Amino acid sequence: AQSVTQLGSHVSVSEGALVLLRCNYSSSVPPYLFWYVQYPNQGLQLLLKYTSAATLVKGINGFEAEFKKSETSFHLTKPSAHMSDAAEYFCAVSDKGGSEKLVFGKGTKLTVNP
Amino acid sequence: EAQVTQNPRYLITVTGKKLTVTCSQNMNHEYMSWYRQDPGLGLRQIYYSMNVEVTDKGDVPEGYKVSRKEKRNFPLILESPSPNQTSLYFCASSAHRGWEKLFFGSGTQLSVL
Repeated sequence: AQSVTQLGSHVSVSEGALVLLRCNYSSSVPPYLFWYVQYPNQGLQLLLKYTSAATLVKGINGFEAEFKKSETSFHLTKPSAHMSDAAEYFCAVSDKGGSEKLVFGKGTKLTVNP
Repeated sequence: EAQVTQNPRYLITVTGKKLTVTCSQNMNHEYMSWYRQDPGLGLRQIYYSMNVEVTDKGDVPEGYKVSRKEKRNFPLILESPSPNQTSLYFCASSAHRGWEKLFFGSGTQLSVL
């Protein structure tokens, strides 16, 4: 069964600083991996996804993530934080072509300080 | 405009009173799913559907029912709601296996008293 662990339920950075949100996954088969963002009082929107092509994935709003199979990680980064990045971020894993279950992490709330 | 529409946006009910939360998508997607979001727990999948008349349990299906009689609709039914089902619910759909790109509805905030 798949599982996702997001390290740090809250992360705080200064505007202009590096954003690093950590995600480790567990899957018995090659996974699909996703990062979603949720702004206050809104639904989730897809930031980026890994579906077994390039291991470095670029997403919207300057975010990127690197799939590292040896570390079972899919950390999300952005070189320079902007105030508008303040939101909650969710990592998710699905069983590629398998059970169709989709498992989300518990989320990391990002605060950006001026 | 491509969208997933959930209704109602807010719902307050009492224990044991059957309710239905509707979900409709206009993208002809085969895959649809329901999630609940609770503070500190993230999103958890309740049920999913891979096509008309094909549904399966997610991680937290107890106390919920679904049906998929038409491709566009995937209602969530709580036959006898209990206070532990107070939560924020999201419906989502995808054209792709493995949930390659999910389109989410705006959410339904349910309170069961």
